[in-house]
Amino acid sequence: GNSVTQMEGPVTLSEEAFLTINCTYTATGYPSLFWYVQYPGEGLQLLLKATKADDKGSNKGFEATYRKETTSFHLEKGSVQVSDSAVYFCALKGQAGTALIFGKGTTLSVSS
Amino acid sequence: NAGVTQTPKFQVLKTGQSMTLQCAQDMNHNSMYWYRQDPGMGLRLIYYSASEGTTDKGEVPNGYNVSRLNKREFSLRLESAAPSQTSVYFCASSEVGGTGYSNQPQHFGDGTRLSIL
Repeated sequence: GNSVTQMEGPVTLSEEAFLTINCTYTATGYPSLFWYVQYPGEGLQLLLKATKADDKGSNKGFEATYRKETTSFHLEKGSVQVSDSAVYFCALKGQAGTALIFGKGTTLSVSS
Repeated sequence: NAGVTQTPKFQVLKTGQSMTLQCAQDMNHNSMYWYRQDPGMGLRLIYYSASEGTTDKGEVPNGYNVSRLNKREFSLRLESAAPSQTSVYFCASSEVGGTGYSNQPQHFGDGTRLSIL
């Protein structure tokens, strides 16, 4: 079945550091891929998405490229801020699927 | 625009008690979902409703029931709460679900934090 694996955290960075959170997936066909962010005490918010191979999703300085050859969708940001501290979830939605399949989440902590 | 609204935000129950978690969305979405979030487990789907009048089991449906009351509302019921159901519950909605519409993102409520003693 479909699954998502993302790097375990926590990830601890200093402000302005470069961020990468790895995400790989297993799926049949051509799923859509998403990154969600969860700030403390809140629900999940869509950060970015990509719906076909080689698509790049971007938002708020975050980027991720849908790589079908490596079944990956790594999240990157060139310069993190303290306000980026949150839990990040990689997720996929299969062509025949209705609901999202989530990775276990990666906690990011950014200090000034 | 409220989006997805969940009530209550917090609840403490005793083992064996029952309760219903409420969810409503104002985005005219067809599909609605209930997830639970546990430490180190990510989010796991409990039940979903692809459209008004239909409901289906997700990954972890045991101990739960759902009702799609109308297009806006989708409730989750615990008939006899157990400590293993202590979790944070999230409701979500999307415009369309199912085959051919995999690129529709889901919109989440702020969650219900449920503790069962």
